[in-house]
Amino acid sequence: GAGVSQSPSNKVTEKGKDVELRCDPISGHTALYWYRQRLGQGLEFLIYFQGNSAPDKSGLPSDRFSAERTGESVSTLTIQRTQQEDSAVYLCASSLLPQTTDTQYFGPGTRLTVL
Amino acid sequence: QKEVEQNSGPLSVPEGAIASLNCTYSDRVSQSFFWYRQYSGKSPELIMSIYSNGDKEDGRFTAQLNKASQYVSLLIRDSQPSDSATYLCAVNRASGTYKYIFGTGTRLKVLA
Repeated sequence: GAGVSQSPSNKVTEKGKDVELRCDPISGHTALYWYRQRLGQGLEFLIYFQGNSAPDKSGLPSDRFSAERTGESVSTLTIQRTQQEDSAVYLCASSLLPQTTDTQYFGPGTRLTVL
Repeated sequence: QKEVEQNSGPLSVPEGAIASLNCTYSDRVSQSFFWYRQYSGKSPELIMSIYSNGDKEDGRFTAQLNKASQYVSLLIRDSQPSDSATYLCAVNRASGTYKYIFGTGTRLKVLA
């Protein structure tokens, strides 16, 4: 079946603008994760959704960042008043169940460049 | 101290040799450990997962876990140039959340 998809694949924006990134998880996957990866760095956890439970937002770096997910489907990550330090690849991943033994499948990422 | 630590490398090994990648973690309640491979410009893909102390083998890959020492490693036997990538160690914490903590990755170069 289809994997995790993300859009847009690339986004160039000006400092101060808002951006919205989209993630379509694998159908039936209840858990969805957002990560940020700066150039040459590892993955930085941002937020985690599982079904209808309250999301784990502990990784969001500031109140300019927010994310939503409708049920077990699409998620959007919104960055308001973008800053140059927000430039990174934003990766989405989903897993079937939110268990510690479950495998995450990653999307291709959205490369965000803030000028 | 970082929660998950890896040597950034690059680790260079000749083709056919064994590559040894190491990872330490700080949270003793961590239960699940993962190795992901990430080619330049691509997304991470799962290579191995390990949950119990000891070794787990899958083809040319062996994951080793020592919870007492809070140490997990990945061995790649008969290294190939196609194994050249960044290897990310990830740990899943068991304390009420299923979020994964990733290390910064070790860049591996297999020299032909």
